[in-house]
Amino acid sequence: RKEVEQDPGPFNVPEGATVAFNCTYSNSASQSFFWYRQDCRKEPKLLMSVYSSGNEDGRFTAQLNRASQYISLLIRDSKLSDSATYLCVVNPAGGYNKLIFGAGTRLAVHP
Amino acid sequence: DGGITQSPKYLFRKEGQNVTLSCEQNLNHDAMYWYRQDPGQGLRLIYYSQIVNDFQKGDIAEGYSVSREKKESFPLTVTSAQKNPTAFYLCASSIVGSTDTQYFGPGTRLTVL
Repeated sequence: RKEVEQDPGPFNVPEGATVAFNCTYSNSASQSFFWYRQDCRKEPKLLMSVYSSGNEDGRFTAQLNRASQYISLLIRDSKLSDSATYLCVVNPAGGYNKLIFGAGTRLAVHP
Repeated sequence: DGGITQSPKYLFRKEGQNVTLSCEQNLNHDAMYWYRQDPGQGLRLIYYSQIVNDFQKGDIAEGYSVSREKKESFPLTVTSAQKNPTAFYLCASSIVGSTDTQYFGPGTRLTVL
C-alpha cells in the first residue's frame, strides 16, 4: 500500500463547478498535512496546510479526518486557472521534516 | 527576491557521464532536499541535509551523491551508476522542524541520450 494515495484523475469540470479531491495516508502517527499545486512541467507550490479543525482559504477548503486517515480538498467556483495537478502531502512522525508526496490528482477546468 | 534557484533548466547527458545539478537558496534555511519526479509518480526523496557538512540518504540515494559545504548550496551529482537517470529533479529547502513546509526551486529536467 502506498503511504499517500490519491485518485489520479483527470477531473474534467466546467468553469464554476465545485470539485473535491480525496487523499488517504497510511501512517496513523502523521503529524502535518498539506496540499500543493503543481502546474505542468513546473515545481510544486504550497496551496494550503490542512488543520485538524478544517480550514478555508477563499474558494479552497481543506478537511482532515484523523480517524479515517483521510484528507480532502474542495474547490468551489472553479476557474480556468485552477487547472493543475494537486498533490496531497503528509509529514509523518519523525525527527526531521520529511514529506511524503502523493502522485497527484489532475484537474482540467474547461470553459 | 528570496528564493531557490536551480540550474540548468534542461540538461542532456550521454550515458556513462556524471553530471552535477546546481541548487542555491537565499532563504536562510538550514534544511535542503533533493527529489526526483517521474511521470505518474509522487516526488521521491534522494538526499537531504539539515545542516552544513552533514547530509543523509533518502529513499532512492543509489547512483547519486551530494555535498553541503555552504548553507546556501546543495549540489546533486547524478553518477553513471544511476540506472535510469532521466527525470525531473527538484530541490527544496525549509526551516528545520517537524511541521514546517518546504519551498521548491524550478527544477532541472535531465535527459540521458
